[in-house]
Amino acid sequence: GEDVEQSLFLSVREGDSSVINCTYTDSSSTYLYWYKQEPGAGLQLLTYIFSNMDMKQDQRLTVLLNKKDKHLSLRIADTQTGDSAIYFCAERRGYNKLIFGAGTRLAVHP
Amino acid sequence: ETGVTQSPTHLIKTRGQQVTLRCSSQSGHNTVSWYQQALGQGPQFIFQYYREEENGRGNFPPRFSGLQFPNYSSELNVNALELDDSALYLCASSLGDRDEQYFGPGTRLTVT
Repeated sequence: GEDVEQSLFLSVREGDSSVINCTYTDSSSTYLYWYKQEPGAGLQLLTYIFSNMDMKQDQRLTVLLNKKDKHLSLRIADTQTGDSAIYFCAERRGYNKLIFGAGTRLAVHP
Repeated sequence: ETGVTQSPTHLIKTRGQQVTLRCSSQSGHNTVSWYQQALGQGPQFIFQYYREEENGRGNFPPRFSGLQFPNYSSELNVNALELDDSALYLCASSLGDRDEQYFGPGTRLTVT
């Protein structure tokens, strides 16, 4: 994806926390999103954060936004094998277009 | 499940042919966006339809075109298929043009 950067791979042990990082470039982006994609499937919206927020928590998910550094992270607490998937960060460019990163493949092992 | 459906699930076409992909939006949603996801990459925005009008377009050539119908379902048409058009095509529906986008399962297009 153009201008949205993510590390490609993350491996964690079951029960540990996972932290997936993302950097974006457009400081005027209003919303930032995290999507999950399982093999052969479409994208599932996990959570999103408005650009005037620093943090958002939703059950096991915590999103942190550092607008000054244009850095977004997704923390998954108590990671389970069912969390194994590709995670995409996306910024809303303009008012309707989502710009995605290339995705981070999360592998959860026993 | 998002309530967004796409058809067909898989499709194989030959270079130079034309293809039509279909998307039914979630009930109550009037906006459909289309994305192309090449293997190993993130989705790329093709265009969006809002209340039957094109409402923004990404960096795709004119042989990619679309329609939205009064029931807000949508079609993506691709003419003169090229090998590089092989990808997963995703549609997403949203309540309005500025709202969260919910994706369907995608159509896998293979061009040989």
